[in-house]
Amino acid sequence: SQQGEEDPQALSIQEGENATMNCSYKTSINNLQWYRQNSGRGLVHLILIRSNEREKHSGRLRVTLDTSKKSSSLLITASRAADTASYFCATDAPNDYKLSFGAGTTVTVRA
Amino acid sequence: DAGVIQSPRHEVTEMGQEVTLRCKPISGHDYLFWYRQTMMRGLELLIYFNNNVPIDDSGMPEDRFSAKMPNASFSTLKIQPSEPRDSAVYFCASSFPDTNEQFFGPGTRLTVL
Repeated sequence: SQQGEEDPQALSIQEGENATMNCSYKTSINNLQWYRQNSGRGLVHLILIRSNEREKHSGRLRVTLDTSKKSSSLLITASRAADTASYFCATDAPNDYKLSFGAGTTVTVRA
Repeated sequence: DAGVIQSPRHEVTEMGQEVTLRCKPISGHDYLFWYRQTMMRGLELLIYFNNNVPIDDSGMPEDRFSAKMPNASFSTLKIQPSEPRDSAVYFCASSFPDTNEQFFGPGTRLTVL
């Protein structure tokens, strides 16, 4: 079963604009991760944020985590055509190595 | 390192046939995961191993599915007999234990006719 739910399901933006997507989850987590999947490829890890962290940056990516609301957001700044992909959040529970993935947000960056 | 390697990349078979998917994890990774991805159900964890031992197979859909990891560098996922509803992309992933950052293979696209 899917723990996380991404919102929106799809997003279309112009190159150079920022893209924001959200993830909500249901139960307590240890870590929350974001992955990217290009069409026809495997998932690629982008960033991990621990449950005791509130914000994390990696290049053009910014992730926030609000454990009181059981939600996270992923911001991609100054988007490029190469950012066109599906983005998934994944959570793991304390003392459990399984990752539960959301349904993903499909991002299209128009040139 | 070449990353996680999966074979075959594409498999087309007929209902009732046995299908074997193969995975070579990244050297040194202690954990190995098998996932299935479909449009309807998204990405589902089927089974995962730690140090070649199956830890959780609760995601394996039914007895037709089995997975083995005979050594640290090789795992198989077998479907016998295959059915059309098994058509999906099957991913293998591996990770170190301290981060749980998973590295995915390119996947095997399985079509059962």
